Order: sequence, then C-alpha cells, then structure tokens
Amino acid sequence: GESVGLHLPTLSVQEGDNSIINCAYSNSASDYFIWYKQESGKGPQFIIDIRSNMDKRQGQRVTVLLNKTVKHLSLQIAATQPGDSAVYFCAETPNNNAGNMLTFGGGTRLMVKP
Amino acid sequence: KAGVTQTPRYLIKTRGQQVTLSCSPISGHRSVSWYQQTPGQGLQFLFEYFSETQRNKGNFPGRFSGRQFSNSRSEMNVSTLELGDSALYLCAVTSGGPSEAFFGQGTRLTVV
Repeated sequence: GESVGLHLPTLSVQEGDNSIINCAYSNSASDYFIWYKQESGKGPQFIIDIRSNMDKRQGQRVTVLLNKTVKHLSLQIAATQPGDSAVYFCAETPNNNAGNMLTFGGGTRLMVKP
Repeated sequence: KAGVTQTPRYLIKTRGQQVTLSCSPISGHRSVSWYQQTPGQGLQFLFEYFSETQRNKGNFPGRFSGRQFSNSRSEMNVSTLELGDSALYLCAVTSGGPSEAFFGQGTRLTVV
C-alpha cells in the first residue's frame, strides 16, 4: 500500500477503547476545521467538520472538539474498531469565501489492536 | 454523491521529463483542487481551479501548472521533473464549500 508518512506520530489503542487524536492549528482566521481519514492506497476521506463558531460537534461514533483559545482541535472516536486503523489528518480553511484551499496538519497514524 | 477519477494511478518518469496528470469529476463539480503528498512535507496545496480559472495557488515553483476544461475536468502538468517531485498527487472536487471536498485516489508519480 501507499506510505503516507514514514515518521508520523502513532496512536495505538485496543479495539473497543476510545481514541483521541489531537491537532494544533496556527491560523486564528480559519473558519472551517475538518478531519480526514486516509487508508492505505486511498485518498483522504471526510469524517466530520466544525465551524469556528462552534466548540463541539458529534457524528456517528465521532466527536470533534474545537478550542479556539489554544488553537487546538481534537477528534474522538468511540469504541474504536479495526476498520478505524488509518492516518488521520486535520485541515483548516480560512473564511475568505474565495475558494476551497485546505491547509493540512501532519497526520496521526491510528493503529487498532484486536 | 461526489466522485472523482484520477488517471493514471501510477507513473514512472525520468528526471528532466514532463508529466500530465488528469482529474475527472464524475458529477461535474466546478471546483477542482490539487494537492501533493509526500512523507516529508505531508499534504500541500498546489492550486485550485473554478469554472476554468485558477482561483488559488500554493507555494510551488512555476514548473507546476494546471488547467480546467469546460466539463470541469482538470489537468496538472509538471515540467523538468526533479527527484523531489516523486509524490502522491491528489485532486479534490467540491460543489459547495471547502468542507465538502471529495478526494480521488491519487496518482503515484515516481521520478527516477
């Protein structure tokens, strides 16, 4: 499969446990924050997003938390499953209504042990 | 639902050559963005095309260029290839805002 990062930070969790993946961002003008999941040999897949006027958003088994004070974003995955094993990226985009440019974080590799 | 096809999936080129990659949105999404993914630099934005016009550009040298056709299909071209251009090139299509970007599987370019 594709190698998306040889030196990515890795989070190893036991199947059934909850996972928390963190991301720091730098642009205080960013409006949208998005989490992507990338499996080997595939492009990034949208998981969940949150707008800057929110601090929490929930999806199916996933929750994104946004702390604008410290410019921190986290993705929580409940009851982690082997299929969740992948590289996770946060991305941000500014509120300038001038396009769809995304700035990505470095990524975290999630490994789920059965 | 959005969908996108990138061709070719794999490509091997020699240093100094040029290459053209293609991205075809299945449902005619008007915005197409290109990204370069490498182990060292991660995912980096190259450029975005909207209605056949370049709307945003990342911090890449002029050897990297692109265009978009009236049917929303987009091509990117890299001239005078360097070894460091070896990467996975991804395109993303959107019909709305940035949180709706749908990525293709990418083209793996290897420069030897």
